[in-house]
Amino acid sequence: AQSVTQLGSHVSVSEGALVLLRCNYSSSVPPYLFWYVQYPNQGLQLLLKYTTGATLVKGINGFEAEFKKSETSFHLTKPSAHMSDAAEYFCAVSGGYQKVTFGTGTKLQVIP
Amino acid sequence: GAGVSQSPSNKVTEKGKDVELRCDPISGHTALYWYRQSLGQGLEFLIYFQGNSAPDKSGLPSDRFSAERTGGSVSTLTIQRTQQEDSAVYLCASSTRQGSNTEAFFGQGTRLTVV
Repeated sequence: AQSVTQLGSHVSVSEGALVLLRCNYSSSVPPYLFWYVQYPNQGLQLLLKYTTGATLVKGINGFEAEFKKSETSFHLTKPSAHMSDAAEYFCAVSGGYQKVTFGTGTKLQVIP
Repeated sequence: GAGVSQSPSNKVTEKGKDVELRCDPISGHTALYWYRQSLGQGLEFLIYFQGNSAPDKSGLPSDRFSAERTGGSVSTLTIQRTQQEDSAVYLCASSTRQGSNTEAFFGQGTRLTVV
């Protein structure tokens, strides 16, 4: 079985500050890891994904995430928050023959 | 089509009525998911179809909810005797196969309002 834990259902940062959204996973097989973003009144879209190879993954809009196997983590970061980054972010895991499993989401608020 | 298509985009129904929500996945995608997002809540898994395997119905909240997938393509989520707590956005997603390293692609959702 697989699971995802996102620490913090709500995160607030000041505009220009570092964004750090935490994701820890559990998987009995090598995981594939994803971050999705959902803007208000829209569906989810992929930000970035880790499959194999380089553990530091870069995505759209300046976001990146690092796969740390020893810590079973895949935290999402962005050096400088923009107002347009305000959204809900979901971490997800898949692998083996199991369906994709999503975390409960983290709402990011950016304070001007 | 190019993406996952859901219809209708909005649905208002009276309490006690049945509703059907439709999802057209990306052509060739064998995996299909339904999720629910209630106001202010995260994603709630409902049901998962993978090819010809028996669907994973473990997330369906009650026996009023059911879903089918015909011909391995289009899926319909049916809610019988709707209740006000069923009001939510229902999202459909598809991907190439389970456990794949390719992502799930989401539709824009159906916003269901039960009055």
